[in-house]
Amino acid sequence: SAVISQKPSRDICQRGTSLTIQCQVDSQVTMMFWYRQQPGQSLTLIATANQGSEATYESGFVIDKFPISRPNLTFSTLTVSNMSPEDSSIYLCSVGRTLYEQYFGPGTRLTVT
Amino acid sequence: AQSVTQPDIHITVSEGASLELRCNYSYGATPYLFWYVQSPGQGLQLLLKYFSGDTLVQGIKGFEAEFKRSQSSFNLRKPSVHWSDAAEYFCAFGYSGGSNYKLTFGKGTLLTVNP
Repeated sequence: SAVISQKPSRDICQRGTSLTIQCQVDSQVTMMFWYRQQPGQSLTLIATANQGSEATYESGFVIDKFPISRPNLTFSTLTVSNMSPEDSSIYLCSVGRTLYEQYFGPGTRLTVT
Repeated sequence: AQSVTQPDIHITVSEGASLELRCNYSYGATPYLFWYVQSPGQGLQLLLKYFSGDTLVQGIKGFEAEFKRSQSSFNLRKPSVHWSDAAEYFCAFGYSGGSNYKLTFGKGTLLTVNP
């Protein structure tokens, strides 16, 4: 497994602003993922962030809205830009191990007012 | 297209009773299947996984799941539920999407445990 931390754990932001979420892993990993979990919903993959390459975004998510950085094998950031109340969600990062196995961070609970 | 279905949105059981949470998948090849648990305010914790081999897999916290190819199911079971098992449970399906391995999740089943 892996120990994954996220900062901040929660935040309340005003619409139109941006928030950067950090994800730190205690060991080097190739694959990192960012998910969104809207209230009462399941997890939706936003993008895959592999070190040394551009993030790959899923349908419905764009880089201008959710820019991602992956500067090394233990760290990644997700920015939620120009926020609106619809962006209120839990954002989770995960790391990939062998054969699709993923381990998740504790999540960042974002409320946009 | 691949998909995961959890038919039960909410299940309530009494403490000490047995539990079965249902999960059905749709995929044309060998699936990679997972169960995760999310306690209130927490991230997801991997309970167990199925890749191949023995169709009955054991996980943490006394959970087990059985893969049935003929029924396209991967149901989660526990013989005796504890109050601390109250949480949301997600079944997930692993597949190869382009150059990456991805997971798609079911909508989750919320488990309430009565004393």
